[in-house]
Amino acid sequence: DAGVIQSPRHEVTEMGQEVTLRCKPISGHNSLFWYRQTMMRGLELLIYFNNNVPIDDSGMPEDRFSAKMPNASFSTLKIQPSEPRDSAVYFCASSLIRQGPNTEAFFGQGTRLTVV
Amino acid sequence: ILNVEQSPQSLHVQEGDSTNFTCSFPSSNFYALHWYRWETAKSPEALFVMTLNGDEKKKGRISATLNTKEGYSYLYIKGSQPEDSATYLCASTGGGGADGLTFGKGTHLIIQP
Repeated sequence: DAGVIQSPRHEVTEMGQEVTLRCKPISGHNSLFWYRQTMMRGLELLIYFNNNVPIDDSGMPEDRFSAKMPNASFSTLKIQPSEPRDSAVYFCASSLIRQGPNTEAFFGQGTRLTVV
Repeated sequence: ILNVEQSPQSLHVQEGDSTNFTCSFPSSNFYALHWYRWETAKSPEALFVMTLNGDEKKKGRISATLNTKEGYSYLYIKGSQPEDSATYLCASTGGGGADGLTFGKGTHLIIQP
């Protein structure tokens, strides 16, 4: 398996524009996580899905952020309108949630977002 | 979402020395504790998953312990090597394992030759 695939790897956009980040989880995994990494706050959980259903979105900073998972092999994180403070590296991770503790998450390479 | 704290934030260690750092997490509703190794420009890589109080895990020169009653875990590196330089993240999950992982901010380890 190619692992978790994120696109684009880098995104530079102007303030006010819509940004869409994409993630393809590992085939067969049933949970998907979106994280944001900044120097100030470290790695933060934004939202996660189990079986394509959003379970906890309390980490989503505000209404400008939205995430969808229309099927088991694809998820998007959208920021509209984007602001300079949204600049960060956004990671997607997937795992197989099952009975037992082995909820190891496999991470994508991340999308580095810069909002100017 | 759980609050996970790691200390120290950064650490400089001489090559060959041993070192350790700490992860603390809320002990209520605890399910599992994960350690990840994160090298610059790469995605985090899982090291250990621990669930039971008193658990100890080892991988080569790296080992970890878990105390779920007091809510902390230690990561130990024996005989540090330059390739150990990385950010070490711990993450906790509750809710029977069905919750997303909540990460600490990491300990940035630099091994000096």
